Amino acid sequence: KQEVTQIPAALSVPEGENLVLNCSFTDSAIYNLQWFRQDPGKGLTSLLLIQSSQREQTSGRLNASLDKSSGRSTLYIAASQPGDSATYLCAAYGGSQGNLIFGKGTKLSVKP
Amino acid sequence: DTEVTQTPKHLVMGMTNKKSLKCEQHMGHRAMYWYKQKAKKPPELMFVYSYEKLSINESVPSRFSPECPNSSLLNLHLHALQPEDSALYLCASSQDEFAWGTGELFFGEGSRLTVL
Repeated sequence: KQEVTQIPAALSVPEGENLVLNCSFTDSAIYNLQWFRQDPGKGLTSLLLIQSSQREQTSGRLNASLDKSSGRSTLYIAASQPGDSATYLCAAYGGSQGNLIFGKGTKLSVKP
Repeated sequence: DTEVTQTPKHLVMGMTNKKSLKCEQHMGHRAMYWYKQKAKKPPELMFVYSYEKLSINESVPSRFSPECPNSSLLNLHLHALQPEDSALYLCASSQDEFAWGTGELFFGEGSRLTVL
């Protein structure tokens, strides 16, 4: 059964710092992996989708990598800003369940 | 347009009420989903519609009844809910059902439901 884990659960950094959020999954037979951002009380905003055949995707200050063999994905945020403060969720598609499995998220706080 | 629109944004209902949540997308997506999210928890899948047919029902109680009138609309009918059903209900869509692989999932802003 696919399990997705995100560490750390919470992270506080000063503005301007580069940071990495981690996501691990137990079943490497995934179709793809998606990173989302969620602001309090709001829906999920898609940030990046990495197909299983890709190793990374970039959008602006965000870069997501995927290593299926080690069951890991990372989300790199460059030059963090207070507006980046939110909960970041990763979700893996596929595995034997053919379903979308979410991690519990990392709550990021960027201090001015 | 990558927007999924949900109405209402907030809903308060008693345990004997009947209400509905609505979701709409105009991206031409053929798969639509209902998720339930409790505070500080990740979203939990409830239902999946693929090409307007119910594809997945994650053992959701019958007091939740989904409906897909057409490829752009998804409803969730609510009846005789319990206080523990209070949560954020999220609608999402993708080009095709994610079980077939490659689709990026787009979420709406959610409907905050409070059951008294």
